[in-house]
Amino acid sequence: DGGITQSPKYLFRKEGQNVTLSCEQNLNHDAMYWYRQDPGQGLRLIYYSQIVNDFQKGDIAEGYSVSREKKESFPLTVTSAQKNPTAFYLCASSTLQGAIRNEQFFGPGTRLTVL
Amino acid sequence: DQQVKQNSPSLSVQEGRISILNCDYTNSMFDYFLWYKKYPAEGPTFLISISSIKDKNEDGRFTVFLNKSAKHLSLHIVPSQPGDSAVYFCAARKNTGNQFYFGTGTSLTVIP
Repeated sequence: DGGITQSPKYLFRKEGQNVTLSCEQNLNHDAMYWYRQDPGQGLRLIYYSQIVNDFQKGDIAEGYSVSREKKESFPLTVTSAQKNPTAFYLCASSTLQGAIRNEQFFGPGTRLTVL
Repeated sequence: DQQVKQNSPSLSVQEGRISILNCDYTNSMFDYFLWYKKYPAEGPTFLISISSIKDKNEDGRFTVFLNKSAKHLSLHIVPSQPGDSAVYFCAARKNTGNQFYFGTGTSLTVIP
């Protein structure tokens, strides 16, 4: 059963601590993405990756870091430099442009709360 | 700068009637458009897409219309059902690269 998993569903962190959000996909997709959603706002792109060991900053990359060591995995680290980290984080994956179907598939999300 | 805009934050429709959700975009390099449905505290799920070479795509109760000259697309849901109540996001992709751009969403409420 193919899909995207994110863990944990809920995460609490103390101010000043780094935290890593997990994202795994078994859809054999080349591209993976991290978005942030705040109340009343759309999905804002943090980082995306089109191939292993390569990734690009999105619109709000400051205070975040990623790695793409395996095709299936794209973890996101929220660092202490992120000024307002409390949000709902969504991971997604897709085929590359040119594929017959190019929509993004999303994980269930992680709600991060900074205490 | 928001390149994909959904100017209606919310919409209420009676069950059985048509729901029309609108989306505008500014970048003429967008060539692929998508609609997603999202429930609270869940990830968005893909609904329907349309390529810029078409002006209409239909899938069951869902139809997407694209007006390239106006840089406008709309999602029609007919007939609307209470289970359609959710936030709907419009998204677009450029003709190069793999980045998707999302609107701010429209919250649809279907009243039984």
